[in-house]
Amino acid sequence: NAGVMQNPRHLVRRRGQEARLRCSPMKGHSHVYWYRQLPEEGLKFMVYLQKENIIDESGMPKERFSAEFPKEGPSILRIQQVVRGDSAAYFCASSPGQGSNQPQHFGDGTRLSIL
Amino acid sequence: GENVEQHPSTLSVQEGDSAVIKCTYSDSASNYFPWYKQELGKRPQLIIDIRSNVGEKKDQRIAVTLNKTAKHFSLHITETQPEDSAVYFCAASGGGTALIFGKGTTLSVSS
Repeated sequence: NAGVMQNPRHLVRRRGQEARLRCSPMKGHSHVYWYRQLPEEGLKFMVYLQKENIIDESGMPKERFSAEFPKEGPSILRIQQVVRGDSAAYFCASSPGQGSNQPQHFGDGTRLSIL
Repeated sequence: GENVEQHPSTLSVQEGDSAVIKCTYSDSASNYFPWYKQELGKRPQLIIDIRSNVGEKKDQRIAVTLNKTAKHFSLHITETQPEDSAVYFCAASGGGTALIFGKGTTLSVSS
């Protein structure tokens, strides 16, 4: 049973370029969460999605950031016109469903570096 | 919104000693409290969790306690081993969406 799969593991972009991060949830999981982790800090919630729906995007910057979880395929976190401050590790987690009784399991993350 | 404070930020123990990490939360509606272990460059791994209808939960050398009245919960690791060295994060959620994380505790176990 494969875990949460994220790719790429490392992504280097120049300022102004676009970054696309992908996340495939665990088999049987329909809920996806994206978190950002700065060096030596905790994880900060960005967005929570179900298939074809954004449920909660309260942690995601209003500009340049977007997320989707289409009916088919992985969830995508997209960062347009990247800046140096976007450099971080981006983790995706999945759970079987909504609710506080559903543990979230994390992928290996994408380390984004902005030159 | 929810705010989670975690202490201490670093903790050094000798192998075989116990380690305790404490977290407080602000939102009385929070009802789910997981703990994650993260080794350098790796994913956060869920090690134990507790729900608000339970006061204590144990899994081998790891235990978590919850005091709903005081809004704090703690992770206890007994008989620590060098492989327990990692960063530990507590988190809280209520209503089933985001996990709100503490800033982490770096645990070092020396042999």
